Amino acid sequence: AQTVTQSQPEMSVQEAETVTLSCTYDTSESDYYLFWYKQPPSRQMILVIRQEAYKQQNATENRFSVNFQKAAKSFSLKISDSQLGDAAMYFCAYRSARGAQKLVFGQGTRLTINP
Amino acid sequence: DAGVIQSPRHEVTEMGQEVTLRCKPISGHNSLFWYRQTMMRGLELLIYFNNNVPIDDSGMPEDRFSAKMPNASFSTLKIQPSEPRDSAVYFCASSLAPGTGEDEQFFGPGTRLTVL
Repeated sequence: AQTVTQSQPEMSVQEAETVTLSCTYDTSESDYYLFWYKQPPSRQMILVIRQEAYKQQNATENRFSVNFQKAAKSFSLKISDSQLGDAAMYFCAYRSARGAQKLVFGQGTRLTINP
Repeated sequence: DAGVIQSPRHEVTEMGQEVTLRCKPISGHNSLFWYRQTMMRGLELLIYFNNNVPIDDSGMPEDRFSAKMPNASFSTLKIQPSEPRDSAVYFCASSLAPGTGEDEQFFGPGTRLTVL
């Protein structure tokens, strides 16, 4: 079974600075997807970024980028120019590309932005 | 697009009562997922459907839980009888069929269930 681990329960960063959230995963599959979801206090789960395992190029969405290291099974999220609205729980998630469609989530990292 | 719609947003009930959570997926989506979020166990899949057919219900904790999808635009998750340990936030999510390239799961706002 696949597992996802986020080793940082909490992180904080100064507004306008850069922060990196860590995620590692375990799988025997070669074809899969990785995601970062944001959950603000409103509780809504919002997709931040997606990475296909077969792509070597790291995904980027505006101020959000990932560092995908397939051999190391590592998938970190970098947030540049942090904004107050970035404060939330961030969840790393895994999904198989074949077969099971379910998302397997990490435990989450609570990100605080200091003004 | 209205997104995934869940009702109710909050539910408070007493132990032993029946609880029904409802979900309307995004129009045109073929897959529907029910997740549960608790402090102890985090986010975990309960069950998912493809084209209204249950595919994987291995996450359903007990026979007290049941889920149905009578048509493409509606699903229910029922707990009967409810217990205090069922207290959690229940999310419904929907997506296009796998392999379409645009099959991200979009989540509803969740239902916060409290069982006293």
